[in-house]
Amino acid sequence: GENVEQHPSTLSVQEGDSAVIKCTYSDSASNYFPWYKQELGKGPQLIIDIRSNVGEKKDQRIAVTLNKTAKHFSLHITETQPEDSAVYFCAARPTDKLIFGTGTRLQVFP
Amino acid sequence: DAGITQSPRHKVTETGTPVTLRCHQTENHRYMYWYRQDPGHGLRLIHYSYGVKDTDKGEVSDGYSVSRSKTEDFLLTLESATSSQTSVYFCATQTAWEQFFGPGTRLTVL
Repeated sequence: GENVEQHPSTLSVQEGDSAVIKCTYSDSASNYFPWYKQELGKGPQLIIDIRSNVGEKKDQRIAVTLNKTAKHFSLHITETQPEDSAVYFCAARPTDKLIFGTGTRLQVFP
Repeated sequence: DAGITQSPRHKVTETGTPVTLRCHQTENHRYMYWYRQDPGHGLRLIHYSYGVKDTDKGEVSDGYSVSRSKTEDFLLTLESATSSQTSVYFCATQTAWEQFFGPGTRLTVL
């Protein structure tokens, strides 16, 4: 079955710097790759997603890239702000179920 | 957000007692999911439903059962709660592509 690995598990950056979180997946049938942000005590919130027919997608300060050949995708956050501090999860969907990575705790220091 | 509510939001129970968690959605989404979230494991799928009375197992289904008698409600039952089922439980619904999460239920089994 599908396996999603996510790195790093923790990431600390200075406010204004960029942050990059990387995920790899194993099942070439995966065709949808969402990213979620989870704040303390809340449910995961979908922040951006990408489908397998697209290589890159951007939404303001957030971008996601997908390399189908290498089976990896990444989340890029530019000009980080303290409110970006949260746990971020990647996921891949080979069938009708999402398979999640284990999460990255991002801390943005002012 | 997809109009998802979960009840109760917090529950403390004793080992061996039955527990039912409820997920209610207002968006008429066909697919619904139950996950548990534990430190170091990310989000793991317990059971999911692809329609009324149509359910299937996820990767950690042992000790759990589900029922879906109406499109809007998806129930998760722990027939005899164990301490290993102490966790945060999230319900999610899915459109054609996007999956949206509820606020979660924190369950403690003593």
